[in-house]
Amino acid sequence: DGGITQSPKYLFRKEGQNVTLSCEQNLNHDAMYWYRQDPGQGLRLIYYSQIVNDFQKGDIAEGYSVSREKKESFPLTVTSAQKNPTAFYLCASSLGWALAADIQYFGAGTRLSVL
Amino acid sequence: KNEVEQSPQNLTAQEGEFITINCSYSVGISALHWLQQHPGGGIVSLFMLSSGKKKHGRLIATINIQEKHSSLHITASHPRDSAVYICAVKVKGGGGADGLTFGKGTHLIIQP
Repeated sequence: DGGITQSPKYLFRKEGQNVTLSCEQNLNHDAMYWYRQDPGQGLRLIYYSQIVNDFQKGDIAEGYSVSREKKESFPLTVTSAQKNPTAFYLCASSLGWALAADIQYFGAGTRLSVL
Repeated sequence: KNEVEQSPQNLTAQEGEFITINCSYSVGISALHWLQQHPGGGIVSLFMLSSGKKKHGRLIATINIQEKHSSLHITASHPRDSAVYICAVKVKGGGGADGLTFGKGTHLIIQP
């Protein structure tokens, strides 16, 4: 079955620690996205990637880093510079970047908490 | 001011009722998405539309581009419809695959 897999489902971070959230898709999609969701707020874009080896900052990229070395994978690292990392993180993908609009498929999410 | 506004924020209804959730936006868009988020957090894309109306089962989504408004309707609502419904737009001219802009969601509870 095609889809997006995020892992882990729950993650705990200690002060000063970097943690990496995994996102893998087998939909052969070019574009991938990371969103952050806080209670009472809409999802906000952290980073996106239109194609392998390329990525762009979204609205709230500070304290985060990404890589896109493979088409299937778009891991997100929450660095120690992110002072308020507790949130629900969602990964998504869409078929291409050339289309003006495209359906985004979402993973099940990772809930990150600070110890 | 948020570019995407949803109403109501919370909605509780009885099983069988006709449900309407509204979304207004203030920017030019190339498409509008309706998403459903379940209590566990997973998100499912329900509709993507740029004009007119789409129907899938008991769900109907409409959009009026001139009025910058969309509605999501649920007919014969059922407790399993209980979820957060999120409106999101693809801003026109926003460039290739940059992400969607989201409303804060409408928390729907359908009571048996």
